[in-house]
Amino acid sequence: GDSVTQMEGPVTLSEEAFLTINCTYTATGYPSLFWYVQYPGEGLQLLLKATKADDKGSNKGFEATYRKETTSFHLEKGSVQVSDSAVYFCALSAGGFKTIFGAGTRLFVKA
Amino acid sequence: DTAVSQTPKYLVTQMGNDKSIKCEQNLGHDTMYWYKQDSKKFLKIMFSYNNKELIINETVPNRFSPKSPDKAHLNLHINSLELGDSAVYFCASSQGTGEVGYTFGSGTRLTVV
Repeated sequence: GDSVTQMEGPVTLSEEAFLTINCTYTATGYPSLFWYVQYPGEGLQLLLKATKADDKGSNKGFEATYRKETTSFHLEKGSVQVSDSAVYFCALSAGGFKTIFGAGTRLFVKA
Repeated sequence: DTAVSQTPKYLVTQMGNDKSIKCEQNLGHDTMYWYKQDSKKFLKIMFSYNNKELIINETVPNRFSPKSPDKAHLNLHINSLELGDSAVYFCASSQGTGEVGYTFGSGTRLTVV
């Protein structure tokens, strides 16, 4: 079945460091790929998405590129801030009224 | 205006009780979902409804019964609550099958004691 694997956390970085959170997926067909962010005590918010191979999703300085050849959708940000501390979820939707989420990666950013 | 609103935000109850969680969306979406998030943040789909019709029921115990009176509402009723039901329950909505993304509510933290 479809699945999403993302790197285990927590990831701890200093402010202004470069962030990468790895995400790979298994799916039949051509899924849409997403990154969601969950701040403490809140629901998930859609951060960015890509719907076809080689698409780059971007938002708030975060980027991810849909790589079909490596079945990956890694999240990157050039300079993290303390306010980026949250849990990040990679997800895929291949239709069928169901989105599959990865296990989440907790990010701590120190001042 | 809140796009997807859930009530209550917190629910503490004793084992064996029956409780309901309500969800409403004002986005005009035609699909709504219930997800369960456990203590390790793992998210698992429970149900999805499209135009009030049940589409997905993911091996959830019969004690959980969703109800969608219209496209804008999806409620979750839980009978005979067990300790293992303690979790955060998220409602979400999307247009169509969800391939452009979901909008989530802020969650209901259920604690069964």
